[in-house]
Amino acid sequence: DAGITQSPRYKITETGRQVTLMCHQTWSHSYMFWYRQDLGHGLRLIYYSAAADITDKGEVPDGYVVSRSKTENFPLTLESATRSQTSVYFCASSDRGQGVNQPQHFGDGTRLSIL
Amino acid sequence: TQLLEQSPQFLSIQEGENLTVYCNSSSVFSSLQWYRQEPGEGPVLLVTVVTGGEVKKLKRLTFQFGDARKDSSLHITAAQPGDTGLYLCAGANAGNNRKLIWGLGTSLAVNP
Repeated sequence: DAGITQSPRYKITETGRQVTLMCHQTWSHSYMFWYRQDLGHGLRLIYYSAAADITDKGEVPDGYVVSRSKTENFPLTLESATRSQTSVYFCASSDRGQGVNQPQHFGDGTRLSIL
Repeated sequence: TQLLEQSPQFLSIQEGENLTVYCNSSSVFSSLQWYRQEPGEGPVLLVTVVTGGEVKKLKRLTFQFGDARKDSSLHITAAQPGDTGLYLCAGANAGNNRKLIWGLGTSLAVNP
């Protein structure tokens, strides 16, 4: 089915471990985004990508790494997880057309707990 | 730093009541989007407003963009339990590489 899928939906890990969250979209959208959502902070942009092999930092990039070798995939890696990275992570995509008014389409999120 | 302030933060009402949610900023935006997020899911776009003073209707939901494009409101008429969710506003600026400025959201509970 067309859409944007995130995996895993739930993940529990320990501090210091590396964790990779996956995001796959089937629309061939140019733009992809990673957000974290926390109570009291709302949605905060971690990284975004305008196209394959083009990525840029968002508001809270420290401790995260992204890559985009293919248009449809945008994995997010926590190189050495910390408890402060416990959060719900959302991936989103948007098309290039119609400028900044294009909506962002979100996945259902990954709930990550770091013990 | 651009900010979007949403009010109220929480709202609990009875089915059939009307309500208004506000999204305010001191900055001008080229457009503003409203999303609804249900538990365990990602936000879903409801509407985009672009022109100052613009009013858009989506069934019982009425969205308005302020004349100066600094604020917006969402009015729900005769709320239903299915309207329960987190309502988020997000502002966009031309030339910012699609980075949206997000409000913290209004959590709405409509009780039957």
